[in-house]
Amino acid sequence: EPEVTQTPSHQVTQMGQEVILRCVPISNHLYFYWYRQILGQKVEFLVSFYNNEISEKSEIFDDQFSVERPDGSNFTLKIRSTKLEDSAMYFCASTLERGTYNEQFFGPGTRLTVL
Amino acid sequence: LAKTTQPISMDSYEGQEVNITCSHNNIATNDYITWYQQFPSQGPRFIIQGYKTKVTNEVASLFIPADRKSSTLSLPRVSLSDTAVYYCLVGEVNRDDKIIFGKGTRLHILP
Repeated sequence: EPEVTQTPSHQVTQMGQEVILRCVPISNHLYFYWYRQILGQKVEFLVSFYNNEISEKSEIFDDQFSVERPDGSNFTLKIRSTKLEDSAMYFCASTLERGTYNEQFFGPGTRLTVL
Repeated sequence: LAKTTQPISMDSYEGQEVNITCSHNNIATNDYITWYQQFPSQGPRFIIQGYKTKVTNEVASLFIPADRKSSTLSLPRVSLSDTAVYYCLVGEVNRDDKIIFGKGTRLHILP
């Protein structure tokens, strides 16, 4: 069964450093998403991406965040200058058809720890 | 987006049937009801989706009354591995471009 993969599984970084979280969505999917979940809290939407551009972003997704699909398979989330409050699980998701109430397939997540 | 209300937590025992009810009084005509499951330290996973009456798949059943103001996720004969958070979502297929997760229902299965 096809699945979304994410690397690394755990990333530790110093405050102020740049991090890039990587995702490989399911190969024929067209819509891509990043979510995050701070420990013990809700899963929060960050950004959606389609046709090589951002479709929608949340208030969390400020200028420190960017997304890119550098090739036909990878989808990346970059945080330019990490803050302590960026520590969270980051989940990538993809879907074949537009609309999140179509089934979204989530990756296993990257745990980001900012020291 | 229709607001949903579901219990914060539930306990049950292995082998029991578990029913988790979600209220969505303001559901709109074009809204579907979707449930996701999240195991600890994993991403959410789609379980089931429905519009009205009853939907069943290999994992669960979803019961939706005629007024659609609530829905019940039914998990037959749960095991310890069903311990997870279950999220009820309501929204229009092919329109909204993000999932808004609530706090979900934390289901704890006891031996």
